[in-house]
Amino acid sequence: AQRVTQPEKLLSVFKGAPVELKCNYSYSGSPELFWYVQYSRQRLQLLLRHISRESIKGFTADLNKGETSFHLKKPFAQEEDSAMYYCALAFNYGGSQGNLIFGKGTKLSVKP
Amino acid sequence: GAGVSQSPSNKVTEKGKDVELRCDPISGHTALYWYRQSLGQGLEFLIYFQGNSAPDKSGLPSDRFSAERTGGSVSTLTIQRTQQEDSAVYLCASSLLAGGITDTQYFGPGTRLTVL
Repeated sequence: AQRVTQPEKLLSVFKGAPVELKCNYSYSGSPELFWYVQYSRQRLQLLLRHISRESIKGFTADLNKGETSFHLKKPFAQEEDSAMYYCALAFNYGGSQGNLIFGKGTKLSVKP
Repeated sequence: GAGVSQSPSNKVTEKGKDVELRCDPISGHTALYWYRQSLGQGLEFLIYFQGNSAPDKSGLPSDRFSAERTGGSVSTLTIQRTQQEDSAVYLCASSLLAGGITDTQYFGPGTRLTVL
């Protein structure tokens, strides 16, 4: 069964510290993975996706198929990074994207 | 341009009443999704529309839930005989789905449903 696991409900770090939000997935096919972020009082929005291999707002995420992980990392956290982060797996209908399967989210709190 | 919009933003209803939630996707987006966001459950998929194909209803939690999409645009999620456990934020998303596997889903602001 397809599943996304985010083991930490809450992650609290100090400004300038490195941060890693963990995500593990279970999926028999070729995974398409995303990180979505929801800032306070804002709508859910895409942060980054593995296929783009991009860095957004200093965040990066590498797909590790051997460990079935897609951890989100940033070397120096900022207070404005405080938000709810969701890891998501795109369900694949024979090559076409279907719905997203979300983890339960990790609340990142960056303290001054 | 305009993003995904949802109405109402908040809905309070009494147990047993029916409710309708509306979603206006981004113009031109062929795919539309409904999710539910609740405490302890995270984001759960409910239903997915793509073009003129039959919707994927596999995420609907019970037959009290239904959704339709008229003219390939606006969608309405209907919950009949609401229960307290239906209280959640209902999110709508749309994507262009032009054939790419990783089309970005754009989310609306959600409708917060409270069942008393």
